[in-house]
Amino acid sequence: DAGVTQSPTHLIKTRGQQVTLRCSPKSGHDTVSWYQQALGQGPQFIFQYYEEEERQRGNFPDRFSGHQFPNYSSELNVNALLLGDSALYLCASSLEQGRRSPLHFGNGTRLTVT
Amino acid sequence: DAKTTQPTSMDCAEGRAANLPCNHSTISGNEYVYWYRQIHSQGPQYIIHGLKNNETNEMASLIITEDRKSSTLILPHATLRDTAVYYCIVSEGGSEKLVFGKGTKLTVNP
Repeated sequence: DAGVTQSPTHLIKTRGQQVTLRCSPKSGHDTVSWYQQALGQGPQFIFQYYEEEERQRGNFPDRFSGHQFPNYSSELNVNALLLGDSALYLCASSLEQGRRSPLHFGNGTRLTVT
Repeated sequence: DAKTTQPTSMDCAEGRAANLPCNHSTISGNEYVYWYRQIHSQGPQYIIHGLKNNETNEMASLIITEDRKSSTLILPHATLRDTAVYYCIVSEGGSEKLVFGKGTKLTVNP
C-alpha cells in the first residue's frame, strides 16, 4: 500500500521563477493538504483540497496556488519565487469522511531559491 | 499560533521510557490532542491522539490529565530510532488545518 508520494524530492530555482510540486495521496484518501516547513520550524499550513476545490487556506499570499485532480492527486504552484520561499514543502492526505482521522505525510520536496 | 507548549529538548537513555510533556491550557471541549513526530529528512509521522481518556497503541501511550490542560506522550522502551522532533497539537479534527509549534527534540542516547 503506497503512502503519500511527492515529486521531485529536490529542486533548485532562481528568484522570480515559477515552480510546480506534485503529490499523490495515500491509496483511499481523498483530501490533500500542503504545508511549508522552514529550517528549524514546524510545518505551516498552506491550504487543503477536497473534491477538487480549495477548502481551507492558511496565511499565504496568492502567489501560492493549487489544484486537485479527479484522481485526488494534487499540485502546488508558486509564482514569482522569493528567496524566503526556500523550504521543505510537505503534502499530507486524509479521508474526508474521517475528519478526525490523522494526516499521512509524504517526505516532502526540498525547494531552494537562489 | 500554536495552542501548545512543549520543552525545546529532552534526552532519554536507550531502553528507558521517554515521557514527553505538553501543556494545552486553552484547549476547548471538542478539541483532540494529537502527537506527531518527525525524523530528520522525513515528513511528520502520526503517533496517537485522544480526547479525554488515556490511549495506547503499538507505538506509544497518551496520558491526558482530568482537566485536559496537559498531556504526556510515553514511549515505553525508547530506541535510537525514536530520536526525532515530537509535536503536540490540539485540533477539532485530525484532517483539518493543523497548527504545529516547534516541538520537542528528543535524543535517545545509547
